[in-house]
Amino acid sequence: AQKVTQAQTEISVVEKEDVTLDCVYETRDTTYYLFWYKQPPSGELVFLIRRNSFDEQNEISGRYSWNFQKSTSSFNFTITASQVVDSAVYFCALRAPDTGKLIFGQGTTLQVKP
Amino acid sequence: KAGVTQTPRYLIKTRGQQVTLSCSPISGHRSVSWYQQTPGQGLQFLFEYFSETQRNKGNFPGRFSGRQFSNSRSEMNVSTLELGDSALYLCASSPRDGNSPLHFGNGTRLTVT
Repeated sequence: AQKVTQAQTEISVVEKEDVTLDCVYETRDTTYYLFWYKQPPSGELVFLIRRNSFDEQNEISGRYSWNFQKSTSSFNFTITASQVVDSAVYFCALRAPDTGKLIFGQGTTLQVKP
Repeated sequence: KAGVTQTPRYLIKTRGQQVTLSCSPISGHRSVSWYQQTPGQGLQFLFEYFSETQRNKGNFPGRFSGRQFSNSRSEMNVSTLELGDSALYLCASSPRDGNSPLHFGNGTRLTVT
């Protein structure tokens, strides 16, 4: 069975702090895709980053970076120098090939205080 | 490109009624998926349509149904509404190659009284 776990329910930081959101996944597929989405109060899920299972290279994109470790089934997401506008619910999601089905974690609510 | 458009944004219905939600995908996207979001259950997959055919289905009762038209637009129908159907319903579209992210609409907030 596929499963995504985000152990952190809520995180509160002060602006300019770095923050890491944890994600652990379970799947029996050898090929799969991992995503992070952000959901601001408006409700729309905004795509942030993705990683496929056969590419463990970690990258940085602006203030966002991610650490994908297949050995521990983790896909952690870091925001550097957080800003108040980063306050939102963040979801980690798993997708099998050739399907539009995403398995979401429960989400982590991030509050960035000025 | 215009994003995924969902209508209406808000709906209030009474128990026992039925409701139809609409989703227009991003131009060129042939896959449309529907998700239900509630505080208790989180984000749950309802079903996916591709080229007018249902390709995947989540664990929801038969009261939840959908369809896709030849222009890829999709509708979702819920019959005999229950209080527990109150939720944010999100539609997503994608080109359906595995590496492409799903792009979500703003959702339809359904309240059942």
